[in-house]
Amino acid sequence: QKEVEQDPGPLSVPEGAIVSLNCTYSNSAFQYFMWYRQYSRKGPELLMYTYSSGNKEDGRFTAQVDKSSKYISLFIRDSQPSDSATYLCAMSGRYGNNRLAFGKGNQVVVIP
Amino acid sequence: DTEVTQTPKHLVMGMTNKKSLKCEQHMGHRAMYWYKQKAKKPPELMFVYSYEKLSINESVPSRFSPECPNSSLLNLHLHALQPEDSALYLCASSQDGTSGGADTQYFGPGTRLTVL
Repeated sequence: QKEVEQDPGPLSVPEGAIVSLNCTYSNSAFQYFMWYRQYSRKGPELLMYTYSSGNKEDGRFTAQVDKSSKYISLFIRDSQPSDSATYLCAMSGRYGNNRLAFGKGNQVVVIP
Repeated sequence: DTEVTQTPKHLVMGMTNKKSLKCEQHMGHRAMYWYKQKAKKPPELMFVYSYEKLSINESVPSRFSPECPNSSLLNLHLHALQPEDSALYLCASSQDGTSGGADTQYFGPGTRLTVL
C-alpha cells in the first residue's frame, strides 16, 4: 500500500462548479498536510497548508483534514478556467527531516 | 517574497556533455532541495542540503552531483546523462530542513532537461 493515495483521474468541471479533491494516507505519523497547484510545465505552488484536523479556508479554497480517517480534501468553490491545473497533495511528519510524501496528483480542467 | 529562481528554463544536452543547473533563493532559508519530476508523476526527492551540508542523498546515480556553494545557491552538475534522465528538475527551499513537516517547502519553476 502506498503511503499516500490520490486518484489521478482527470476531472473536468464547468466554470462555477465546486471542485472536490481528496487523498488518503496510511502513515499515522503524518501531521502536516499540504496542497500544491502545478500548472503545465511549471513548478508546484503551495496552495494550502494545514496541521490540525478540521477546515481551513483561504478565499475560494477550503482544505479539510480528518486525521481519524486519514483523509484530506481540497474544495475549490466557484471554479474558474484559471484553476485548470494539477493538484498535488503532500504530507510529512512532525520530526526529523522534511521528506514530503506526495500523491500522484489530480488534473483538473475547468471548462468555460 | 517566496521566490525560488532556477536557470536555465530549458536545457538540451548530449550524453557526453557536462552541464549545470542553478537555483537561488533570497528568503534566508537554510535548506535546499533537488527534485526530479517525470510527466504526470509527482516530484521525486533527489538531494537535500541543510545548513550547506548534504543531509539526504536518495541513492541518486553519480552522474548527478549536487553542490551548495552558500545558503542561497544550489547547483546540480550533470555529466554523462542518459535519455531516461530527461525530466523537469525542481529546486525547493525551506527554513532549515530539520523541523519536520512544520518546515514548508517552496518550489522554483524548474528546468526542463532533454537528454539526446
